[in-house]
Amino acid sequence: QVQLEESGPGLVKPSETLSLTCTVSGGSISSYYWSWIRQPPGKGLEWIGYIYYSGSTNYNPSLKSRLTISVDTSKNEFSLKLSSVTAADTAVYYCARVRVVPAALLLDPWGQGTLVTVSS
Amino acid sequence: DIQMTQSPSSLSASIGDRVTITCRASQGISSSLAWFQHKPGKAPKSLIYAASTLQSGVPSKFSGSGFGTDFTLTISSLQPEDFATYYCQQYNSYPWTFGQGTKVEIK
Repeated sequence: QVQLEESGPGLVKPSETLSLTCTVSGGSISSYYWSWIRQPPGKGLEWIGYIYYSGSTNYNPSLKSRLTISVDTSKNEFSLKLSSVTAADTAVYYCARVRVVPAALLLDPWGQGTLVTVSS
Repeated sequence: DIQMTQSPSSLSASIGDRVTITCRASQGISSSLAWFQHKPGKAPKSLIYAASTLQSGVPSKFSGSGFGTDFTLTISSLQPEDFATYYCQQYNSYPWTFGQGTKVEIK
C-alpha cells in the first residue's frame, strides 16, 4: 500500500524559498502523476500543481512564477520549491498521488501534511 | 478558475441520521468531481470520484450524484467515525479547485 510522507523545514523566513520533499513508500514513483496541495490556516484547500514521473509538470497559474516541482525517481521522491514566500504562504502542505482512472483523475492517497510557517 | 461552493459550511447531526452535502460549480464540469473526507491531523481520504463512483474500500453508506454544476454527497446513516470535514474537488479544468468544506459535527 502506497504511503506518502512530507518533510522539510517548519519555519521559513519571508522572501526565502520554501522547500519540501514527499517520500513515496510501498510502491514506485514511476508511471504516476504526483501532486502538491496546501491549506492555509482556517481556509480551504488549494491545488499547487503536479509532476509526472518523467518530469513534465502542470502548475497552478497563481503560483507558477514562484514554483518548481521536481522528481527524483532514484530516491522515489518528489519535491516542491516555492520562492519569495510571504505570510500568505503559511499553510499545511500535502502531497498526493494522482491516479488516472477511466474518465477521472483522483488524488489518492495523500500524505498527512506538514505545517510550514512563514515568519521572521 | 472554477469556483466550487459547498453548503452548508457546517452541520450538526445525530448518529443514524441521513446527511446530504451539496457542491455547486460556477460552470459546468460534466461529472469531473471528487469528494474527500478529512479528519484533523490525518491525511485526507478519497471517497468518491467521477461524481458517483465509490473509491475502493469506501463503505456503501456514502453515495454521490450530480452532473454539470450541481452535486451531492449523501451519508445514509451517520456513524461516529463519519464526523469530519468533507470537501468536493473539480478536475474538469485547470487549476483544480476545491470547495471550502463542510464540517459534520455531533448534535
